[in-house]
Amino acid sequence: GAGVSQTPSNKVTEKGKYVELRCDPISGHTALYWYRQSLGQGPEFLIYFQGTGAADDSGLPNDRFFAVRPEGSVSTLKIQRTERGDSAVYLCASSLSGGSHEKLFFGSGTQLSVL
Amino acid sequence: SQQGEEDPQALSIQEGENATMNCSYKTSINNLQWYRQNSGRGLVHLILIRSNEREKHSGRLRVTLDTSKKSSSLLITASRAADTASYFCVSNEKLTFGTGTRLTIIP
Repeated sequence: GAGVSQTPSNKVTEKGKYVELRCDPISGHTALYWYRQSLGQGPEFLIYFQGTGAADDSGLPNDRFFAVRPEGSVSTLKIQRTERGDSAVYLCASSLSGGSHEKLFFGSGTQLSVL
Repeated sequence: SQQGEEDPQALSIQEGENATMNCSYKTSINNLQWYRQNSGRGLVHLILIRSNEREKHSGRLRVTLDTSKKSSSLLITASRAADTASYFCVSNEKLTFGTGTRLTIIP
């Protein structure tokens, strides 16, 4: 596709439910990043994929959060037993090959609201 | 932990004036990037400066880098209302963001 696509754009769920957020990166980009952003804050790093593997998952807050990228393109961020504190905008970005020398292309994000 | 920290946290200037915001970082870097985020979600890459560069220009943007002080500055000249946004610096390999500078341009 022309840009990074994230679906859904908005997700409302109830506390305790399971949610999946999808990211479709720019075709050919091997690096994919997930961030979480709360109101008034900068994006908080969650996880970075290089190809199919998670190169760095140190930002995942706890074991309720998990992300996959099985074929090295589309990625899914999975949140189990959602809590109200998980409410935020979840941003996905991709770059050609990863690293600080590559610029990131961001999607429009998924606004997650946990009631 | 955040690698880059922007300063000031908020800045309001009149349209047409220049805006300067700063970024400090903690560890040695290879590159430093600046991003802009308009109200809503869209994050857009503005400019990248390499560790062996001291200054870089792109249109109305001027970025400087001082590796001895572990700091960078972003200057926006002749500001416009459309420059109202939050600005972030990113410098490490994990590409972590700071809290940003919220710039408001007053028409």
